[in-house]
Amino acid sequence: DAGVIQSPRHEVTEMGQEVTLRCKPISGHDYLFWYRQTMMRGLELLIYFNNNVPIDDSGMPEDRFSAKMPNASFSTLKIQPSEPRDSAVYFCASSPPVTFGPGTRLLVL
Amino acid sequence: TQLLEQSPQFLSIQEGENLTVYCNSSSVFSSLQWYRQEPGEGPVLLVTVVTGGEVKKLKRLTFQFGDARKDSSLHITAAQPGDTGLYLCAGPVNAGKSTFGDGTTLTVKP
Repeated sequence: DAGVIQSPRHEVTEMGQEVTLRCKPISGHDYLFWYRQTMMRGLELLIYFNNNVPIDDSGMPEDRFSAKMPNASFSTLKIQPSEPRDSAVYFCASSPPVTFGPGTRLLVL
Repeated sequence: TQLLEQSPQFLSIQEGENLTVYCNSSSVFSSLQWYRQEPGEGPVLLVTVVTGGEVKKLKRLTFQFGDARKDSSLHITAAQPGDTGLYLCAGPVNAGKSTFGDGTTLTVKP
């Protein structure tokens, strides 16, 4: 198994642009999580899905953030418009057992 | 909110030394998990402890869950440079959601 796959691995964009992060979970895992990690706030859960259904999006910072899981093998996290304070490492994870992807390092200029 | 506090925040030691890091909460958790995160990578699950007082060993790493299931410790014997990383503890909040501590950043110098 290739593990959790995330793309892109690095993203540099300008303030105001739309950013789309992608995730392919491990086949057979029925939970999918999106996390954000920064030095200041640590690892924060943004949203998670169970069987493709969003269960808890209370961690989504604001309406600029949205996430979808159209099928069991794909999820996206979209930021529109992006702001410099969105700069962070975004992780996708699936479970069980909990397995993190390598992350997407986002820099918004 | 069930918070997990980890200590110390940073730890720098020489190769061969022993160390212990801690994960504490005022809340009871049904289980706790420990992860190690290396620079540029995602966290990797090391162990899950479930029973109060439980001790699990993973090579030179020993994990203990407190009797009251409010705290846990990770002890590393004869640390090696390969042990360098961010050690995170996490506990379930509900069926799918976990809360993470801020982690202990360990540096093992050769």
